[in-house]
Amino acid sequence: GQNIDQPTEMTATEGAIVQINCTYQTSGFNGLFWYQQHAGEAPTFLSYNVLDGLEEKGRFSSFLSRSKGYSYLLLKELQMKDSASYLCAVKWDYKLSFGAGTTVTVRA
Amino acid sequence: GAVVSQHPSRVICKSGTSVKIECRSLDFQATTMFWYRQFPKQSLMLMATSNEGSKATYEQGVEKDKFLINHASLTLSTLTVTSAHPEDSSFYICSARGGQGAAYEQYFGPGTRLTVT
Repeated sequence: GQNIDQPTEMTATEGAIVQINCTYQTSGFNGLFWYQQHAGEAPTFLSYNVLDGLEEKGRFSSFLSRSKGYSYLLLKELQMKDSASYLCAVKWDYKLSFGAGTTVTVRA
Repeated sequence: GAVVSQHPSRVICKSGTSVKIECRSLDFQATTMFWYRQFPKQSLMLMATSNEGSKATYEQGVEKDKFLINHASLTLSTLTVTSAHPEDSSFYICSARGGQGAAYEQYFGPGTRLTVT
């Protein structure tokens, strides 16, 4: 089966930095995605890593190490609107397997 | 671009009835559509994958006779939950792949909240 682990919850202060880790063990690997999901809404795409290293996109960065089966999403300069669930998903074959999500709460 | 819609956004039905959920790609042709289910505080679980004009591929443990999927055109896929039971209450999300987006991208619909009473 596919195993994708990420922490359940994280809390941080507005303006701070938070790092959400994701480890995976899957049958195959064609890339790793990070999505943001607000309660009751569909996931929205944040980042995609297929090669090792860091991808930066504004306040969000994502890192991948395929040999370690590890990724992280870094959220900088946190804003209240960043309070949401962050989903790590691995693409293998043509499918996406999702982690359970990390709920990030940003406090003033 | 790459907008996916779902209808209805919320539906309440009685146990034993059937309900149909539509997923449309509004501004691109979706060669592949995916249906997911998400229970509260849990991950999205892939139910099935459908390609236009062919039978859907169901994930292990998903009853194909209970969750009927039709992908009749490049812009529309439907999921029908037949003989719904309270345990089918969940958040159903579709996604679509195709159009001008990168081959790896899936575009998600806004989801349908199904409550079976």
